[in-house]
Amino acid sequence: GQQVQQSPASLVLQEGENAELQCNFSSTATRLQWFYQHPGGRLVSLFYNPSGTKHTGRLTSTTVTNERRSSLHISSSQTTDSGTYFCAIDRSSGSWQLIFGSGTQLTVMP
Amino acid sequence: EAAVTQSPRSKVAVTGGKVTLSCHQTNNHDYMYWYRQDTGHGLRLIHYSYVADSTEKGDIPDGYKASRPSQENFSLILELASLSQTAVYFCASSGLGGSYEQYFGPGTRLTVL
Repeated sequence: GQQVQQSPASLVLQEGENAELQCNFSSTATRLQWFYQHPGGRLVSLFYNPSGTKHTGRLTSTTVTNERRSSLHISSSQTTDSGTYFCAIDRSSGSWQLIFGSGTQLTVMP
Repeated sequence: EAAVTQSPRSKVAVTGGKVTLSCHQTNNHDYMYWYRQDTGHGLRLIHYSYVADSTEKGDIPDGYKASRPSQENFSLILELASLSQTAVYFCASSGLGGSYEQYFGPGTRLTVL
């Protein structure tokens, strides 16, 4: 079945530095979503991005479907970016069920 | 953004007791999901539903039942709560107009003593 691996598991940055979070998956994905989890627990959808590149503010998501990988780039990090970032992939091609990676815990120091 | 609400937001239950977690969405989504998250880990799918009065098993259904009495409401039921079911539970919905993006509720923190 589909497996999702995220790296790094944790990352510490100084404010203003950039971050690159990776998501690799074992089988073709037709649905891919990036989430941010606030330190308090709330999950927020950042991108639905099964292929190509999407931007919003300081965030960029790039998914290369045939290489089975996706990345999330955070530019000019801020302390408010601290939290955990998850990618999730459909269980099998076209499935409505998502399989979550174990997340990247990001800490941005002032 | 889709509105998904959960109740209660936190609960303490006793081992062997019955627990019901409720989820409500107001965006006419077809699909609803229940996930559990253990400290320091990602989310795992317990049950999901794509139509009222029907539920499907996810990855970790043992010890849980689900109920979808209407398109807007989806409940997770723990008939005999156990210590190992202490976790944060998230409800999500998706599926309006072909959109696959999932939107999550705020979560319910369940502690079983």
